Amino acid sequence: DAGVTQSPTHLIKTRGQHVTLRCSPISGHKSVSWYQQVLGQGPQFIFQYYEKEERGRGNFPDRFSARQFPNYSSELNVNALLLGDSALYLCASSFQIRGDPGELFFGEGSRLTVL
Amino acid sequence: DQQVKQNSPSLSVQEGRISILNCDYTNSMFDYFLWYKKYPAEGPTFLISISSIKDKNEDGRFTVFLNKSAKHLSLHIVPSQPGDSAVYFCAASAREYNNNDMRFGAGTRLTVKP
Repeated sequence: DAGVTQSPTHLIKTRGQHVTLRCSPISGHKSVSWYQQVLGQGPQFIFQYYEKEERGRGNFPDRFSARQFPNYSSELNVNALLLGDSALYLCASSFQIRGDPGELFFGEGSRLTVL
Repeated sequence: DQQVKQNSPSLSVQEGRISILNCDYTNSMFDYFLWYKKYPAEGPTFLISISSIKDKNEDGRFTVFLNKSAKHLSLHIVPSQPGDSAVYFCAASAREYNNNDMRFGAGTRLTVKP
């Protein structure tokens, strides 16, 4: 069974550019969450989508947006990139969003470098 | 605001000995806690969890202890093996709310020496 897949794995952008990161959840999982992990820190919650609707949002500026498609895959978009956006962006999928959290299944991440 | 803290950035233990990783939290709304393990170039993988109604959960070599009054949890690995060398993240969430909004600590890098 395929796990959570993310693309691209690595990318380099310059300040002011836009980036789109993609994620395919585990088959049967309807919830997709995005996390940002800056070097030396733990993952920080950005967004969560369930059944194509935004169900949670972390403390990130409006430059960050996301969406979920009918097949439950998801995109994370970041506009007007800043140097501080350089990080590993992790996508995680899960089966439900209520009750015991159980576990999140993470992809390998997309490493974004902003120059 | 760091609601979950792992104050030890690194820990080194000898193979066969016990590894104890610690985690503190500040938000009393948290009622579910998880540990994730992360190898280089891989995403975090779930290791073990504990609900706030328990004070201990055991799974093979891994045991998590929860002290609600102290807002502290710890992960014990016995015996430690070289393959356990990884970064360990403590995470917390509130089941009443969106349980995908997990708050992670900064991680502890465990090195198990042969």
